[in-house]
Amino acid sequence: GIQVEQSPPDLILQEGANSTLRCNFSDSVNNLQWFHQNPWGQLINLFYIPSGTKQNGRLSATTVATERYSLLYISSSQTTDSGVYFCAVIQGAQKLVFGQGTRLTINP
Amino acid sequence: EPEVTQTPSHQVTQMGQEVILRCVPISNHLYFYWYRQILGQKVEFLVSFYNNEISEKSEIFDDQFSVERPDGSNFTLKIRSTKLEDSAMYFCASRSGAGYGYTFGSGTRLTVV
Repeated sequence: GIQVEQSPPDLILQEGANSTLRCNFSDSVNNLQWFHQNPWGQLINLFYIPSGTKQNGRLSATTVATERYSLLYISSSQTTDSGVYFCAVIQGAQKLVFGQGTRLTINP
Repeated sequence: EPEVTQTPSHQVTQMGQEVILRCVPISNHLYFYWYRQILGQKVEFLVSFYNNEISEKSEIFDDQFSVERPDGSNFTLKIRSTKLEDSAMYFCASRSGAGYGYTFGSGTRLTVV
């Protein structure tokens, strides 16, 4: 099956810093989503981005489907951005396949 | 914004007991899913459900698991005889069609003791 790899596995930053999270996938995909899992375990949808670039406030994402990667940018980090960020892809059939996640810690 | 609702948020059960996890997907969505996440690990696919039948299931989804959409609005996951290793966060998700994003519920944390 398709492999989804995220990097880095852990990232620790000071408040106000910018960060880039990467998601590589091993095969062509129909769609890609980025999620934030907050400290309570909830999965919050950030972006549905099969290709191109989208922005939502301090967050933006870019997917280059032909090169099989996606990037999530977080600017001016806040402590509330802490948590685990998951990339997940859909290939062919319906199921979403998740990466292992990047654990982001923003220190005040 | 429409939400996927899951109940209960946390359930503790004794090993060997049956549990039913409940979900109310977004009303006009057609595709329904269950995922689980063992503590500290990635989110794993369990089963997908479309047109009142299972369309795909993973190796994890063995005979102890079943899903049902009993009344056109609820979507349930039943674990017949729970094991310690079933302890996990269980997520329900839905989407309106192929080509659309998934919306996840806030999860049910199942603890088997």
